Amino acid sequence: QVQLQQWGAGLLKPSETLSLTCGVYGGSFSGYYWSWIRQSPGKGLEWIGEINHSGSTNYNPSLKSRVTISVDTSKKQFYLILSSVTAADTAVYYCVRAPITMIPQNAFDIWGQGTVVTVSS
Amino acid sequence: ELVLTQSPGTLSLSPGERATLSCRASQSVSTSSLAWYQQKPGQAPRLLIYGASGRASGTPDRFSGSGSGTDFALTISRLEPEDFAVYYCQHYGSSIFTFGPGTKVDIK
Repeated sequence: QVQLQQWGAGLLKPSETLSLTCGVYGGSFSGYYWSWIRQSPGKGLEWIGEINHSGSTNYNPSLKSRVTISVDTSKKQFYLILSSVTAADTAVYYCVRAPITMIPQNAFDIWGQGTVVTVSS
Repeated sequence: ELVLTQSPGTLSLSPGERATLSCRASQSVSTSSLAWYQQKPGQAPRLLIYGASGRASGTPDRFSGSGSGTDFALTISRLEPEDFAVYYCQHYGSSIFTFGPGTKVDIK
């Protein structure tokens, strides 16, 4: 049973950098894209970006200038860095898995537990 | 930029009734790239339907997906108490994932 466990700082001040880690337990790391998604009351579910095991990334154009997603395959972990945060970045952040060629393609089949991130001065 | 619109915003029904949720895309999309999720309070979303009509592992057969082009639907044939939740549609295309705003199914 594959599980995603995520962790990182939950309270930030404006202009600081958000940093989250997601660990993959009980399954393969290759053959999937690993994404970050956030959910806020004002904007609903928003896809942030994705990475595969070889480090190939895609980002949401609306966040691309501030986002970096990276991977450490030896640890089976992937990471989210979001710079220059503001109150608008307050949300629950999820790490998720999407199969590349297996079903269910183009969908997120495994989700982490979510991390509440609050940006406040 | 693709926009997904879901209707209605809230659907008030009783257990045992049939629910039909709509997801409309601002342009024609591939059926292989349309998915539906269920989210309950305090929980992460859960994949129900992929490829517009394929049931994900563990999805009860009372859930069915349909549609093509710009119009898609999620149907719950007979609502069970555990089905009252928020439902989101999601599209993948041009290396970008997009979600709809959601439909809340609540108890009448």
